[in-house]
Amino acid sequence: DSGVTQTPKHLITATGQRVTLRCSPRSGDLSVYWYQQSLDQGLQFLIQYYNGEERAKGNILERFSAQQFPDLHSELNLSSLELGDSALYFCASSARGLPSTDTQYFGPGTRLTVL
Amino acid sequence: ELKVEQNPLFLSMQEGKNYTIYCNYSTTSDRLYWYRQDPGKSLESLFVLLSNGAVKQEGRLMASLDTKARLSTLHITAAVHDLSATYFCAVTTGTASKLTFGTGTRLQVTL
Repeated sequence: DSGVTQTPKHLITATGQRVTLRCSPRSGDLSVYWYQQSLDQGLQFLIQYYNGEERAKGNILERFSAQQFPDLHSELNLSSLELGDSALYFCASSARGLPSTDTQYFGPGTRLTVL
Repeated sequence: ELKVEQNPLFLSMQEGKNYTIYCNYSTTSDRLYWYRQDPGKSLESLFVLLSNGAVKQEGRLMASLDTKARLSTLHITAAVHDLSATYFCAVTTGTASKLTFGTGTRLQVTL
């Protein structure tokens, strides 16, 4: 158990809908990352937050957005869902978001199925 | 654009045998990570390699980093069934913290 929690574990929805994925980082960690894992794209970085502020952006679609709240939990919002958005979405956290010192610890993931 | 390649993509090996997984990356980096993923599960951090020549060992797994060759290896000694999983290497570059992952190597250890 990494100490990172994600809810829900599974999510099944229809095309065109909007969903919210939630992540709580490990106690004391200030940085949160979102990754998408799919069969065709592999593991891809989406976005990073540090202490409430966006720090880095990856291949995140405009239909997707995220935020980190004052209590450091984060939410990933996915809208106008398409079949191709079906994937495993991971949240990871690290202490300070510094690559030279931090290890990222991954949560259990949310499996999103778009029908 | 940073690219990270692993080979082989799939490895079937017998218990007790040794083998090596290779991870090549395309741009300068001195930070490389190895993760393990069981089917349908999360990623578990195995090793963090932070400098050229770094070598780390945990049980039957040993990871090394050659930043000049842009190559990391994950060596498996005397494989056991419990090591069956998918292994990913990941790299960060410059001041960015985001992980760029390799394609993964699915390891299957047969009895």
